[in-house]
Amino acid sequence: QSALTQPRSVSGSPGQSVTISCTGTSRDVGTYNYVSWYQQHPGKAPKLIIYDVTQRPSGVPDRFSGSKSGFTASLTISGLQAEDEADYYCYSFAGSFTWFFGGGTKVTVL
Amino acid sequence: EVQLVESGGDLVQPGGSLRLSCAASGFSFSTTWMHWVRQAPGKGLVWVSCISTDGRITNYEDSVKGRFTISRDNAENTLYLQMSSLRVEDTAMYYCAGPSATVPEAFVIWGQGTTVTVSS
Repeated sequence: QSALTQPRSVSGSPGQSVTISCTGTSRDVGTYNYVSWYQQHPGKAPKLIIYDVTQRPSGVPDRFSGSKSGFTASLTISGLQAEDEADYYCYSFAGSFTWFFGGGTKVTVL
Repeated sequence: EVQLVESGGDLVQPGGSLRLSCAASGFSFSTTWMHWVRQAPGKGLVWVSCISTDGRITNYEDSVKGRFTISRDNAENTLYLQMSSLRVEDTAMYYCAGPSATVPEAFVIWGQGTTVTVSS
């Protein structure tokens, strides 16, 4: 078993866009459209911000968007805001009742 | 209000055992697959285990197979994680989490976590 691969950190200035990649394999991201993304602020429980690759739960700002191409899923934050500074994790179903998280990406707002 | 409340975390010696509980309310627990997720201090999230609605299907992350057992009591709306042969590397915040009826393949609901520390 192995985690999905994410960059350790990304940064951007307020108003800019940042994209976080999540690379898996043919056993997970490449096969299933069950990729979700979670935002976690320090000391808090994670919060779902994207599910099924592109879907946004109600209440999540539309500056958060998801996509997928091949074995790589991506989360884009457009119009970066100070409150977006957090850790972000991707998550994918991998068949046979198994799921994997990515290693996490720290987003810094400069 | 939809809620998950974990309990049972503690300081335990290596080789010891512990049982975590997760009390659910505000949603149809008996029709929801449930999961445990952990996060070691300063580290990322790791999926630990899942259990089907009737408890017949379970699965575990490789490092806990044979040591952890997930179970549920649908009459009491409670999820459990029995942890044995604990190792220092099991030290983590443990979250219970679950999907919703409209979002079945993601963790919509999270508890606040319970802390397990394995140390001599």
